[in-house]
Amino acid sequence: QVTLRESGPALVKPTQTLTLTCSFSGFSLSTSGMCVTWVRQPPGEALEWLARIDGDDNKYYTTSLKTRLIISKDTSKNQVVLTMTNMDPVDTATYYCARKDSSSSAYFDYWGQGTLVTVSS
Amino acid sequence: QSALTQPRSVSGSPGQSVTISCTGTSSDVGGYNYVSWYQQHPGKAPKLMIYDVTKRPSGVPDRFSGSKSDNTASLTISGLQAEDEADYYCCSYAGSYTYVFGTGTKVTVL
Repeated sequence: QVTLRESGPALVKPTQTLTLTCSFSGFSLSTSGMCVTWVRQPPGEALEWLARIDGDDNKYYTTSLKTRLIISKDTSKNQVVLTMTNMDPVDTATYYCARKDSSSSAYFDYWGQGTLVTVSS
Repeated sequence: QSALTQPRSVSGSPGQSVTISCTGTSSDVGGYNYVSWYQQHPGKAPKLMIYDVTKRPSGVPDRFSGSKSDNTASLTISGLQAEDEADYYCCSYAGSYTYVFGTGTKVTVL
């Protein structure tokens, strides 16, 4: 059974750095082609793809946020961490992690329940 | 990586069909057969409904179907049911291992 769960602070102040953890089970990032991705959704707005990491530690980011994002993994703990620097109120959103299960696929078949992050002083 | 364009809302009566469009460019929708669709009920995580333009994951009713022509993909819901009322998002591979989502469409069952 595949599950993903996001965790992190519910509230961060402007200019602070956000660190979110995606803890997953039921699959391994060591499996060829397996990826974990991050997606966010501001309240009442659309989904936005942020970043992905695969088992070979290849990392890819959305162009608009590339300078503020770092994605990393701890394969032994089955965790992926997303760091976003210089947080701003416009970064208030629900942050989701999701799985992409092969190198030949381009879709996200399992999602976490999301974690709401509010940026406010 | 501009968001794909979807209509803000569509509606239909139970039993009717509705179609949601998703317009991108030759760099995303038109360039790859990697369009997926997600259903999202309020307060819930997105759920995969269609992948690779036309394929349905196990457990998704065959009332849901996908297609693509040039830079526009479409999701059709046939035999609309009350539980289909939700937000729907398209997503396309955009090259260089990146992805782009659509602006989202609210489906209302009248």
